[in-house]
Amino acid sequence: EAGVAQSPRYKIIEKRQSVAFWCNPISGHATLYWYQQILGQGPKLLIQFQNNGVVDDSQLPKDRFSAERLKGVDSTLKIQPAKLEDSAVYLCASSLDRAETQYFGPGTRLLVL
Amino acid sequence: KQEVTQIPAALSVPEGENLVLNCSFTDSAIYNLQWFRQDPGKGLTSLLLIQSSQREQTSGRLNASLDKSSGRSTLYIAASQPGDSATYLCAVYSGGYQKVTFGIGTKLQVIP
Repeated sequence: EAGVAQSPRYKIIEKRQSVAFWCNPISGHATLYWYQQILGQGPKLLIQFQNNGVVDDSQLPKDRFSAERLKGVDSTLKIQPAKLEDSAVYLCASSLDRAETQYFGPGTRLLVL
Repeated sequence: KQEVTQIPAALSVPEGENLVLNCSFTDSAIYNLQWFRQDPGKGLTSLLLIQSSQREQTSGRLNASLDKSSGRSTLYIAASQPGDSATYLCAVYSGGYQKVTFGIGTKLQVIP
Protein backbone atom coordinates (compact mmCIF):
# COMPACT_ATOMS: atom_id res chain seq x y z
CA GLU A 1 0.00 0.00 0.00
CA ALA A 2 1.41 3.37 -1.02
CA GLY A 3 1.85 5.92 1.76
CA VAL A 4 1.01 9.60 1.87
CA ALA A 5 2.91 11.53 -0.78
CA GLN A 6 3.93 15.17 -0.47
CA SER A 7 5.76 17.56 -2.76
CA PRO A 8 7.96 19.44 -2.88
CA ARG A 9 10.18 18.18 -0.05
CA TYR A 10 12.00 21.49 0.34
CA LYS A 11 11.19 25.04 -0.65
CA ILE A 12 13.03 28.33 -0.14
CA ILE A 13 11.22 31.57 -0.96
CA GLU A 14 11.48 35.28 -0.22
CA LYS A 15 8.94 36.88 2.11
CA ARG A 16 5.82 38.16 0.36
CA GLN A 17 6.13 35.45 -2.31
CA SER A 18 3.54 32.70 -2.69
CA VAL A 19 4.04 28.95 -2.34
CA ALA A 20 1.91 25.83 -2.75
CA PHE A 21 2.22 22.36 -1.29
CA TRP A 22 0.63 19.20 -2.63
CA CYS A 23 -0.55 16.08 -0.82
CA ASN A 24 -1.80 12.75 -2.14
CA PRO A 25 -3.37 10.71 0.68
CA ILE A 26 -3.66 6.96 0.98
CA SER A 27 -6.33 5.65 -1.37
CA GLY A 28 -9.73 5.36 0.28
CA HIS A 29 -8.92 7.63 3.22
CA ALA A 30 -11.78 10.04 3.85
CA THR A 31 -10.00 12.32 6.32
CA LEU A 32 -7.07 14.54 5.37
CA TYR A 33 -5.09 16.82 7.70
CA TRP A 34 -2.59 19.62 7.16
CA TYR A 35 -0.27 20.52 10.02
CA GLN A 36 2.39 23.15 10.62
CA GLN A 37 5.33 22.02 12.75
CA ILE A 38 7.78 24.65 13.96
CA LEU A 39 11.15 23.39 15.17
CA GLY A 40 10.92 22.01 18.70
CA GLN A 41 7.13 22.01 18.80
CA GLY A 42 4.41 19.49 18.18
CA PRO A 43 2.35 19.60 14.98
CA LYS A 44 -0.35 22.28 14.93
CA LEU A 45 -3.50 21.39 13.03
CA LEU A 46 -4.20 23.92 10.26
CA ILE A 47 -7.13 22.30 8.48
CA GLN A 48 -9.01 19.01 8.46
CA PHE A 49 -11.03 17.72 5.51
CA GLN A 50 -13.67 15.01 5.56
CA ASN A 51 -13.90 13.89 1.91
CA ASN A 52 -13.92 17.25 0.12
CA GLY A 53 -15.56 19.25 2.91
CA VAL A 54 -13.77 21.29 5.61
CA VAL A 55 -14.37 19.96 9.14
CA ASP A 56 -12.06 22.28 11.08
CA ASP A 57 -10.00 25.27 9.94
CA SER A 58 -10.08 27.23 13.18
CA GLN A 59 -6.28 27.58 13.33
CA LEU A 60 -5.74 28.39 9.66
CA PRO A 61 -4.59 32.01 9.13
CA LYS A 62 -7.19 32.64 6.50
CA ASP A 63 -5.82 36.03 5.46
CA ARG A 64 -2.82 34.28 3.88
CA PHE A 65 -3.40 30.52 3.92
CA SER A 66 -5.87 28.59 1.79
CA ALA A 67 -6.44 24.92 1.15
CA GLU A 68 -8.62 22.74 -1.00
CA ARG A 69 -9.19 19.06 -1.52
CA LEU A 70 -9.99 18.16 -5.08
CA LYS A 71 -12.74 15.56 -5.55
CA GLY A 72 -12.07 14.29 -2.05
CA VAL A 73 -8.60 12.99 -2.96
CA ASP A 74 -5.54 15.22 -3.50
CA SER A 75 -5.11 18.43 -1.56
CA THR A 76 -3.15 21.64 -1.94
CA LEU A 77 -2.15 24.16 0.73
CA LYS A 78 -1.20 27.66 -0.39
CA ILE A 79 0.45 30.56 1.39
CA GLN A 80 0.16 34.03 -0.14
CA PRO A 81 1.98 36.21 0.82
CA ALA A 82 4.52 34.33 2.95
CA LYS A 83 5.98 35.76 6.15
CA LEU A 84 9.21 34.91 7.92
CA GLU A 85 7.28 33.17 10.70
CA ASP A 86 5.82 30.71 8.17
CA SER A 87 9.18 28.91 8.09
CA ALA A 88 8.28 25.43 9.29
CA VAL A 89 7.62 21.88 8.17
CA TYR A 90 4.19 21.35 6.63
CA LEU A 91 2.88 17.86 7.23
CA CYS A 92 0.00 16.11 5.52
CA ALA A 93 -1.72 13.09 7.06
CA SER A 94 -4.70 10.93 6.19
CA SER A 95 -6.93 8.41 7.95
CA LEU A 96 -9.80 6.13 7.03
CA ASP A 97 -12.16 8.27 9.08
CA ARG A 98 -12.08 10.89 11.84
CA ALA A 99 -10.23 9.89 15.02
CA GLU A 100 -8.75 6.82 13.29
CA THR A 101 -5.04 6.05 12.95
CA GLN A 102 -3.30 8.82 11.05
CA TYR A 103 -0.60 8.15 8.47
CA PHE A 104 1.82 10.97 7.75
CA GLY A 105 3.73 12.01 4.68
CA PRO A 106 7.41 13.02 4.84
CA GLY A 107 6.58 16.73 5.05
CA THR A 108 7.63 19.85 3.15
CA ARG A 109 10.33 21.98 4.78
CA LEU A 110 9.69 25.68 4.02
CA LEU A 111 12.23 28.41 4.59
CA VAL A 112 11.10 32.01 4.14
CA LEU A 113 13.96 34.53 3.78
CA LYS B 1 -9.81 24.12 24.68
CA GLN B 2 -7.88 20.87 24.90
CA GLU B 3 -4.27 21.14 26.08
CA VAL B 4 -1.79 18.29 25.92
CA THR B 5 1.38 18.19 28.01
CA GLN B 6 4.26 15.75 27.76
CA ILE B 7 6.80 15.35 30.52
CA PRO B 8 9.76 15.08 30.47
CA ALA B 9 10.74 17.11 27.42
CA ALA B 10 13.89 15.04 27.04
CA LEU B 11 15.12 11.75 28.45
CA SER B 12 18.41 9.90 28.17
CA VAL B 13 18.68 6.26 29.28
CA PRO B 14 21.20 3.42 28.90
CA GLU B 15 20.37 0.61 26.51
CA GLY B 16 18.25 -2.17 28.01
CA GLU B 17 16.42 0.02 30.49
CA ASN B 18 12.63 0.05 30.73
CA LEU B 19 11.11 3.52 30.54
CA VAL B 20 7.83 5.41 30.77
CA LEU B 21 6.78 8.47 28.82
CA ASN B 22 3.89 10.59 30.07
CA CYS B 23 1.09 12.46 28.36
CA SER B 24 -1.60 14.48 30.17
CA PHE B 25 -4.64 16.26 28.77
CA THR B 26 -7.03 18.80 30.25
CA ASP B 27 -10.38 17.71 28.78
CA SER B 28 -11.12 14.08 29.68
CA ALA B 29 -13.99 13.79 27.16
CA ILE B 30 -11.80 12.28 24.47
CA TYR B 31 -12.53 9.88 21.62
CA ASN B 32 -9.10 8.36 21.05
CA LEU B 33 -5.46 8.92 21.93
CA GLN B 34 -2.60 8.11 19.61
CA TRP B 35 1.15 7.78 20.20
CA PHE B 36 3.64 8.59 17.43
CA ARG B 37 7.38 8.62 17.00
CA GLN B 38 9.23 11.15 14.88
CA ASP B 39 12.76 10.67 13.66
CA PRO B 40 14.84 13.78 12.83
CA GLY B 41 13.79 15.33 9.52
CA LYS B 42 11.02 12.79 9.01
CA GLY B 43 7.27 12.62 9.27
CA LEU B 44 5.42 10.94 12.13
CA THR B 45 4.96 7.18 12.45
CA SER B 46 1.96 5.84 14.32
CA LEU B 47 2.80 3.51 17.20
CA LEU B 48 -0.47 2.82 18.98
CA LEU B 49 -4.02 4.14 19.01
CA ILE B 50 -6.12 3.69 22.15
CA GLN B 51 -9.86 4.10 21.89
CA SER B 52 -11.63 5.88 24.75
CA SER B 53 -13.29 2.60 25.83
CA GLN B 54 -9.92 0.84 26.16
CA ARG B 55 -7.45 1.01 29.01
CA GLU B 56 -4.35 -0.17 27.16
CA GLN B 57 -2.86 -1.31 23.88
CA THR B 58 0.26 -3.35 23.24
CA SER B 59 2.54 -3.69 20.25
CA GLY B 60 5.77 -5.61 20.67
CA ARG B 61 7.89 -3.87 23.32
CA LEU B 62 5.44 -0.98 23.56
CA ASN B 63 2.49 -0.71 25.91
CA ALA B 64 0.26 2.35 26.10
CA SER B 65 -2.25 2.91 28.87
CA LEU B 66 -5.11 5.38 29.14
CA ASP B 67 -6.79 6.77 32.26
CA LYS B 68 -9.46 9.15 31.04
CA SER B 69 -10.68 10.16 34.48
CA SER B 70 -7.28 11.49 35.46
CA GLY B 71 -6.46 12.81 31.98
CA ARG B 72 -3.33 10.72 31.55
CA SER B 73 -1.70 8.27 29.20
CA THR B 74 1.64 6.53 29.51
CA LEU B 75 3.81 4.84 26.91
CA TYR B 76 5.95 2.06 28.35
CA ILE B 77 8.98 0.93 26.35
CA ALA B 78 10.56 -2.32 27.48
CA ALA B 79 14.22 -3.19 27.02
CA SER B 80 15.09 0.03 25.21
CA GLN B 81 17.40 -0.06 22.18
CA PRO B 82 19.44 2.66 20.42
CA GLY B 83 16.97 2.42 17.52
CA ASP B 84 14.26 3.68 19.87
CA SER B 85 15.96 7.09 19.93
CA ALA B 86 13.43 9.56 18.53
CA THR B 87 10.85 12.11 19.63
CA TYR B 88 7.64 10.57 20.96
CA LEU B 89 4.41 12.55 20.60
CA CYS B 90 0.92 11.93 21.85
CA ALA B 91 -2.19 13.23 20.14
CA VAL B 92 -5.67 13.49 21.61
CA TYR B 93 -8.93 13.46 19.62
CA SER B 94 -11.70 15.42 21.34
CA GLY B 95 -14.53 17.85 20.77
CA GLY B 96 -17.39 17.95 18.31
CA TYR B 97 -15.29 17.12 15.25
CA GLN B 98 -12.85 14.80 17.03
CA LYS B 99 -10.30 17.60 16.71
CA VAL B 100 -6.72 16.43 17.17
CA THR B 101 -4.35 18.17 19.58
CA PHE B 102 -0.68 17.23 19.86
CA GLY B 103 1.77 17.57 22.72
CA ILE B 104 5.26 18.92 22.00
CA GLY B 105 6.85 15.52 22.50
CA THR B 106 9.51 13.80 24.58
CA LYS B 107 12.93 13.48 22.96
CA LEU B 108 14.36 10.09 23.88
CA GLN B 109 18.01 9.12 23.58
CA VAL B 110 19.02 5.52 24.26
CA ILE B 111 22.76 5.26 24.86
CA PRO B 112 24.52 2.05 23.73
